[in-house]
Order: sequence, then C-alpha cells, then structure tokens
Amino acid sequence: DAKTTQPPSMDCAEGRAANLPCNHSTISGNEYVYWYRQIHSQGPQYIIHGLKNNETNEMASLIITEDRKSSTLILPHATLRDTAVYYCIVRASYSGGGADGLTFGKGTHLIIQP
Amino acid sequence: SQTIHQWPATLVQPVGSPLSLECTVEGTSNPNLYWYRQAAGRGLQLLFYSVGIGQISSEVPQNLSASRPQDRQFILSSKKLLLSDSGFYLCAWGSGQETQYFGPGTRLLVL
Repeated sequence: DAKTTQPPSMDCAEGRAANLPCNHSTISGNEYVYWYRQIHSQGPQYIIHGLKNNETNEMASLIITEDRKSSTLILPHATLRDTAVYYCIVRASYSGGGADGLTFGKGTHLIIQP
Repeated sequence: SQTIHQWPATLVQPVGSPLSLECTVEGTSNPNLYWYRQAAGRGLQLLFYSVGIGQISSEVPQNLSASRPQDRQFILSSKKLLLSDSGFYLCAWGSGQETQYFGPGTRLLVL
C-alpha cells in the first residue's frame, strides 16, 4: 500500500469547516483513499473512501486531486465532538479469497476549539 | 444493521497469566475478521486476520494466538502474558471492498 503524509496536528474553530490534507504521491491506479478517525479511548471509526471522484456522505466530503497524489477530508461544520486523530490510508481493494489489514500511520490530531 | 462487540472492556492481568479476549459480530455472515493492537502512543498494528472459520493468518510472531470457532466469533488468546502485551486491542470486521469496521476495544494492562 502507498505511503501517506499528514500534518501531525491542526486546530479548527467550532462551526467552521475543517480541511484535513493528505499526500499520497505514490498511489497506484487500483488504490483507494480511506479516512478513519479515532476519538480518544475508542476504536477507529470509518468516515469515507474514494477512488478518483469526489465523495460526500453524512459525515464528510472527500476531495481527491485529478492526479490522485493528494486528497482533502472536509468536515463542513466542525463540532467539539470532532476532536480526534484522523487517519488517511491508501489501500488496494482485494478481489475474493483473501484479506488484508489496514496500515495506520500517525494521522492528524484535529483539535476543535470552542 | 451490523454491530461488533468486544469484551471485556478493560482488563488488568499479572505477568504470566493467560488471556482470552472475545469479539463477536452481528448482522453479517462470513465476514473477514481482524485483531489489531495499539500500544500507548503508537499506531495500530495488525496481529491476525481470518477469512473463515478455522482460518487464521498471523502478521506478527509473538506469544499471542487467535481462533475463529464460529463464523462471527474471533478470539485472541495467550498462555502467558508479557509486560509488552499491554495495549488497546481492537477487533474489526470487513466484507466486500474491505471497508473495515472496528469494535469498541479492550484495554489490557499487564502488571
């Protein structure tokens, strides 16, 4: 799986959009971009994933650049409960017969300020 | 909807004692199941994964073992715990394109 680079920490004001960047310059054509977050003392929570098109769900939006070498996770209206470590993971989908673990880096510690 | 359970939530064990952590999944069949460990201040490390009953793959050699006696049950065990086994143990399930969903975790402290 391709390596990802994220800033170690970011601050965002409550109610504002939080934009979390991720670089994945060695991504290959069959690799997806996944985002998870981990709130303190809890298991990681799946947020969103995408291949090359931008994606949106009830939690967030994922913007992937045209060359797929970087992406941005957007939390449109951050709340205090969004304070967590956010992990960007690049991973190929598998087809039948096998499985593979996720490789978590150090992520970005997002702190939402009141 | 699918849910994943882990127990116990927290555990304090002496060095050399045995360990058994349990993970069960509801609302899905034939899931891939995973055990991860997160040591204090570090990232998640994949320990074991299973694609079916009785099928276990180990990622890291250590004194832990895993078993899958039923389709939706995954057990992590040790015969003799070490201090270095302390950490946050997470079970996850996945299917299809392999989005993985994590349980609430078990926090283990070995003294």
